[in-house]
Amino acid sequence: SQQGEEDPQALSIQEGENATMNCSYKTSINNLQWYRQNSGRGLVHLILIRSNEREKHSGRLRVTLDTSKKSSSLLITASRAADTASYFCARKVNRDDKIIFGKGTRLHILP
Amino acid sequence: DGGITQSPKYLFRKEGQNVTLSCEQNLNHDAMYWYRQDPGQGLRLIYYSQIVNDFQKGDIAEGYSVSREKKESFPLTVTSAQKNPTAFYLCASGAGTVYEQYFGPGTRLTVT
Repeated sequence: SQQGEEDPQALSIQEGENATMNCSYKTSINNLQWYRQNSGRGLVHLILIRSNEREKHSGRLRVTLDTSKKSSSLLITASRAADTASYFCARKVNRDDKIIFGKGTRLHILP
Repeated sequence: DGGITQSPKYLFRKEGQNVTLSCEQNLNHDAMYWYRQDPGQGLRLIYYSQIVNDFQKGDIAEGYSVSREKKESFPLTVTSAQKNPTAFYLCASGAGTVYEQYFGPGTRLTVT
């Protein structure tokens, strides 16, 4: 399967703490993207990082990419209740027209 | 107001009936996609289209059909041949396959 693995599958943290989610994959990529999905809703794009980039920031989000280890991480700093959602990584694989989604990490922020 | 819309939000059908899910975008995107999501699972690609009048099968195309007669529209038909059609269906569009995708709100289909 070309699907990557998100780790952990589920994560519960206290509001204000940082949340880290990881994504691993097997084949070489053009880019890697992170999306958020609130329960019963569509996905929202968060960050796209290209294969020649190592780190990107957007507000409280920080994404890293290590192509030698075929892994990426998403860090959410100073978490808020509104960050409760599922987070998916998706990879644009080289020589393929598709974007492949992982199974996601369910993040729950405790008050 | 740009975006991607799906209708209806909830859809109920009897087994053996075909049903068509609507997806419309006004983002001027060339590429459009249909995904299926089952509870607690990731997204699986059903069909995608990179240009009008052309589309390709994704990983789980059996039992589904699509058309792309207009740039703005990419309807998905769930046929009676689909063994387990009950799922959450998501449509997305993008400027191309190397760019991010914009998702609609989804259609939850229940077949009994």
